Amino acid sequence: DGGITQSPKYLFRKEGQNVTLSCEQNLNHDAMYWYRQDPGQGLRLIYYSQIVNDFQKGDIAEGYSVSREKKESFPLTVTSAQKNPTAFYLCASRLAGDGYTFGSGTRLTVV
Amino acid sequence: EDQVTQSPEALRLQEGESSSLNCSYTVSGLRGLFWYRQDPGKGPEFLFTLYSAGEEKEKERLKATLTKKESFLHITAPKPEDSATYLCAVNAGNNRKLIWGLGTSLAVNP
Repeated sequence: DGGITQSPKYLFRKEGQNVTLSCEQNLNHDAMYWYRQDPGQGLRLIYYSQIVNDFQKGDIAEGYSVSREKKESFPLTVTSAQKNPTAFYLCASRLAGDGYTFGSGTRLTVV
Repeated sequence: EDQVTQSPEALRLQEGESSSLNCSYTVSGLRGLFWYRQDPGKGPEFLFTLYSAGEEKEKERLKATLTKKESFLHITAPKPEDSATYLCAVNAGNNRKLIWGLGTSLAVNP
């Protein structure tokens, strides 16, 4: 079955550490997105990519980085510059004109 | 400023008690309104896309409608398994990102 796979499901980060969240899709979707979800706040866009080797900053890109070397993969790195990284991270993909398909999320906690 | 507001924030129903969730929006150039269902600790699950006023879509006990200012998600004879947070999002002009509401948390008691 086609879908989006996010890993790991839970991730713990120490102060000053960079961590990378994986997102893989086999839906042949061109566009991919990273969102952050915090209690009491709507989904906020971190980065998005509409084609391979190209990506744009969303509304809260500071402290994050991404790459899009393959159509199927869009990893997100949470750097030490992100001062409040504890959140639920969601990856999504989309075929033009359709709704977004989301992964099951990664919960990141700073320890 | 483009904005999406969902109400109520939380709703508790008895099994079989029909109701509606509201998503009002103020955007320029609506290019689509999306409804999603999200269970705790999981990613949102796509339900419907509506594009123009007057459009309606149905799926099992759910029916989504759209006017020029708002959308309703009608839940007919809900069951406990319909308990979830329902999210609304709007694609307005800019095709690259969605504007999300904060969601309605629905609890259906048996």
